[in-house]
Amino acid sequence: ETGVTQTPRHLVMGMTNKKSLKCEQHLGHNAMYWYKQSAKKPLELMFVYNFKEQTENNSVPSRFSPECPNSSHLFLHLHTLQPEDSALYLCASSSTRGETQYFGPGTRLLVL
Amino acid sequence: AQKVTQAQTEISVVEKEDVTLDCVYETRDTTYYLFWYKQPPSGELVFLIRRNSFDEQNEISGRYSWNFQKSTSSFNFTITASQVVDSAVYFCAPYYGNNRLAFGKGNQVVVIP
Repeated sequence: ETGVTQTPRHLVMGMTNKKSLKCEQHLGHNAMYWYKQSAKKPLELMFVYNFKEQTENNSVPSRFSPECPNSSHLFLHLHTLQPEDSALYLCASSSTRGETQYFGPGTRLLVL
Repeated sequence: AQKVTQAQTEISVVEKEDVTLDCVYETRDTTYYLFWYKQPPSGELVFLIRRNSFDEQNEISGRYSWNFQKSTSSFNFTITASQVVDSAVYFCAPYYGNNRLAFGKGNQVVVIP
């Protein structure tokens, strides 16, 4: 595997389900990011991790819970989501903060 | 929030034509970075180019070129001799620090064969 990978690529879940999105970067980077891309809206930064420590939470509802066990892996735990949470969730990484961010293919989430 | 404007929502060109995408940004910073990303229908954001705000030299990389004008806060991007594979959404994204890439709404480019 190379670059940034994300699983699953597609996810359909009910509002009472719990699921997790996984991101893995194979670039030796130290910073990882979660973004949300809704239809017809600009990309929104959700969370930033730098050397496994969360450095930014962009006022994201608590039904989204990130986890960064090491510099290569980033998870987004989902529970009791709303239909308006349906979106493309993109993971990115960079060598350090401020450097070029490289993105994964995204997870298309549909909440029913 | 610092604003990024990509005024052209959708641009259609015939294959082999050139296409220029406009980006105007607002900033109070004197030092920053500027990026262009491409998002094909598959969804992945692909990094294209990065410029530093203190380097206004314009460059060409293959079929891509860019025109950075710090005095007018513009960072325009040109695809020369467009191909069908260039059909995608293109995002201008200044980086102002504090981890934030400020994405614009994007330009949908449609290349017609």
